Order: sequence, then C-alpha cells, then structure tokens
Amino acid sequence: AQSVAQPEDQVNVAEGNPLTVKCTYSVSGNPYLFWYVQYPNRGLQFLLKYITGDNLVKGSYGFEAEFNKSQTSFHLKKPSALVSDSALYFCAVRDDKAAGNKLTFGGGTRVLVKP
Amino acid sequence: DAGVTQSPTHLIKTRGQHVTLRCSPISGHKSVSWYQQVLGQGPQFIFQYYEKEERGRGNFPDRFSARQFPNYSSELNVNALLLGDSALYLCASSYDRVVDYGYTFGSGTRLTVV
Repeated sequence: AQSVAQPEDQVNVAEGNPLTVKCTYSVSGNPYLFWYVQYPNRGLQFLLKYITGDNLVKGSYGFEAEFNKSQTSFHLKKPSALVSDSALYFCAVRDDKAAGNKLTFGGGTRVLVKP
Repeated sequence: DAGVTQSPTHLIKTRGQHVTLRCSPISGHKSVSWYQQVLGQGPQFIFQYYEKEERGRGNFPDRFSARQFPNYSSELNVNALLLGDSALYLCASSYDRVVDYGYTFGSGTRLTVV
C-alpha cells in the first residue's frame, strides 16, 4: 500500500521569505515522489519528481525538494516566495512495487504568500 | 500542440441519472488515467487505461466505468449518480509510465449532483 500525508492544511509566508511545504510518505518498496501545484479551477501542474539518485531535486519555477529516506519525507522548498506562488500544493507517491500509473495524493496544502 | 482536453467543463445532474465525461489526451500519449477530486481533498485514482486496456482500478463502486478508444481518447461513465459524486473529475495523460514521462492533467470536469 502507498500513502501520503501533508500535515499542514495551510502555510502562510511573507513574500521574499523561504517557503516549505511538508510531505511524508509510506510505501512497501521504494518511493517515486512527485509535487504538483493547482490553481483555482484548473488541473494539476507538475513541479518536480524524485525517482532515484541525488536527494535534492530541482524543479520548475525555482522550487526544489529534498528526499529523506530515514524520515520518509519529501518536503517542497523555495528560497524566496512570490505572491504568485499562492496556490494549492499536492504531494504524491507511487510504490516502485506497484503496477500501473496510479499515484496516491496527499490532501493538499494551501500556500498563501502575502505581499 | 493541444493539451489534455476534457468535456464538458461543467455540468449539473440529478441524483439517479447517468453521466459521461470525455477526455482527449495529448497527441501520441497512450495512457489515460482518471481521478476524482472532492472539494478540499486530494485527487483519488479511479482508472488507468493503456492501449485500450484497463491497467488499474481504484476503490470506486461498479457504478464507475471507463473505456479507451483506438485514438486513445477516453470516456468515464458514472451510473445512478449520488450527491457524493459531486467533484472535479480530472483526466491525466502520459506517453507511457508516469515515473518516466509524467502526467499532463486536463482542467477537469466539474460535476454537481443535485
């Protein structure tokens, strides 16, 4: 079984400050991990993924995420947040032992960046 | 190139009715997956189709069914609609394995059941 938890429903940050969105996962095998962002009334847009290799993954729009196997975490980070980063962020996981393309998503974290 | 196209964008149905949602994947993408996103929650996997064959099914009742056509477009059908089926239904296309090629999501169909 595969599962994801996003412990924060909302994160508030001032523009220019660092942004962190937390994600923890549970899988039977090894994880494939993804971050997506959703703007109002839109589908999900891909930010980055971890498959294997370097634990620090760099993605779109200045976002990065750090894979930590011992803590089963994959937190999303941005060094300097923009007002335009305000959106809903989803972490997703797929167990490498699973078949098919099923991703299991977390409940989402709303990010509000204030000017 | 066109992205993932879903139709209709919005619709309202009455309890007990049937609904068909449509998805056209990105040209060349062979895999289509359907997700249900209830307001305030993350997307939940319903189905995946690849080359017209079902490759995965989520924990949804038999009222939900889907198919994929030779041109890789897909339909999601829901029978005997319940109020709890109200959600944003997302279609995600991929060339093949999501871990290699990723998903591209459509903007979704907003279904309201009254």
